Amino acid sequence: RKEVEQDPGPFNVPEGATVAFNCTYSNSASQSFFWYRQDCRKEPKLLMSVYSSGNEDGRFTAQLNRASQYISLLIRDSKLSDSATYLCVVTRSNDYKLSFGAGTTVTVRA
Amino acid sequence: GAGVSQSPRYKVAKRGQDVALRCDPISGHVSLFWYQQALGQGPEFLTYFQNEAQLDKSGLPSDRFFAERPEGSVSTLKIQRTQQEDSAVYLCASSLVPGQDTQYFGPGTRLTVL
Repeated sequence: RKEVEQDPGPFNVPEGATVAFNCTYSNSASQSFFWYRQDCRKEPKLLMSVYSSGNEDGRFTAQLNRASQYISLLIRDSKLSDSATYLCVVTRSNDYKLSFGAGTTVTVRA
Repeated sequence: GAGVSQSPRYKVAKRGQDVALRCDPISGHVSLFWYQQALGQGPEFLTYFQNEAQLDKSGLPSDRFFAERPEGSVSTLKIQRTQQEDSAVYLCASSLVPGQDTQYFGPGTRLTVL
């Protein structure tokens, strides 16, 4: 079983719609959680960290559920520029490497 | 300022050839990581340096893979006797300090082994 699992999608949504998706992680010792965004044939870029209390960054809301070991990302008022692959990332305590899911593809159509 | 740079951006190798991939991290960044990203997958950790010390090489898939960072800045990932399964994008990332600091990724080297 992979350490981080994501629904690959694709999620095809119209502009202005809300889209949400989850990822699950298997290691209960996971300490830090992130969403990265990766555009086609580009490098991953940090979108936002995910905190236990949940956090927002503009149209993006991230939630963490430690008991069920899942992380969610919600995008409100989708823009064409939100089309990308969203990578769920976890790290373990005292471990610097990032463990990535395979990514969820979102396509926003006009 | 300049981000992480990698060269070459694209590399085509014949099976059995050796390749060397270069990473220039952000100036002053202590930590440097190499990841391998196969098509349709997320990046997978290969190895980690703190300055010139290679502290973790648990992700290197075989002894054909070797990485170094001799002066604590530029790093080279070398793959000997390349195989078709080595075809992937090799991403380098750096962070300012060890620990839970943001990792900044380079554009990657796309390696195709024929």
